[in-house]
Amino acid sequence: DSGVTQTPKHLITATGQRVTLRCSPRSGDLSVYWYQQSLDQGLQFLIQYYNGEERAKGNILERFSAQQFPDLHSELNLSSLELGDSALYFCASSVFQGSTGELFFGEGSRLTVL
Amino acid sequence: AQTVTQSQPEMSVQEAETVTLSCTYDTSENNYYLFWYKQPPSRQMILVIRQEAYKQQNATENRFSVNFQKAAKSFSLKISDSQLGDTAMYFCAFVPRGGATNKLIFGTGTLLAVQP
Repeated sequence: DSGVTQTPKHLITATGQRVTLRCSPRSGDLSVYWYQQSLDQGLQFLIQYYNGEERAKGNILERFSAQQFPDLHSELNLSSLELGDSALYFCASSVFQGSTGELFFGEGSRLTVL
Repeated sequence: AQTVTQSQPEMSVQEAETVTLSCTYDTSENNYYLFWYKQPPSRQMILVIRQEAYKQQNATENRFSVNFQKAAKSFSLKISDSQLGDTAMYFCAFVPRGGATNKLIFGTGTLLAVQP
């Protein structure tokens, strides 16, 4: 158990809909990262938050947005969903400053868009 | 741009034998971390081993060890006495040390099948 909690584990929705994925980082971790893993693909970095502020942005679509709340949990919002958005979305956390580099991953949220 | 390359999409090994997974990376940084993560069929991302670039000694974790060649920008993973539970996708990852972000850059992965 990594200590990172993601909900929901599975989500099935239709094209054009909007969903929210939630992540609670490990206790004490200030930084949250979101990654997307499409079928049989590697992990693509989407966005990072540190202590409530956006720290880095990757290949995140304009239809997607995220935020980190004062209690450090994070939400990834996906809107106007398309079939190609079907993927496993991972949240990871780290201490960031003073860390030894590794990220601790949640179990992922599997999104299926029909 | 910093990139991580895994040139072996799939590999197979017999149980109890040894297998080596390859990884190369490209960076102008001098100080960084390298990782191997394992993703079994459960899809959970599990850290296997970590290497700090300023340490010349290769990291070892039980049956897992790395061959870190900094000048060649190579970071291979050796799995000894392979077990059925080692069947998984293995990702090599890189992050500069002390950078503005700790985001990991991943390779495309190597699917390892351990055969009984």
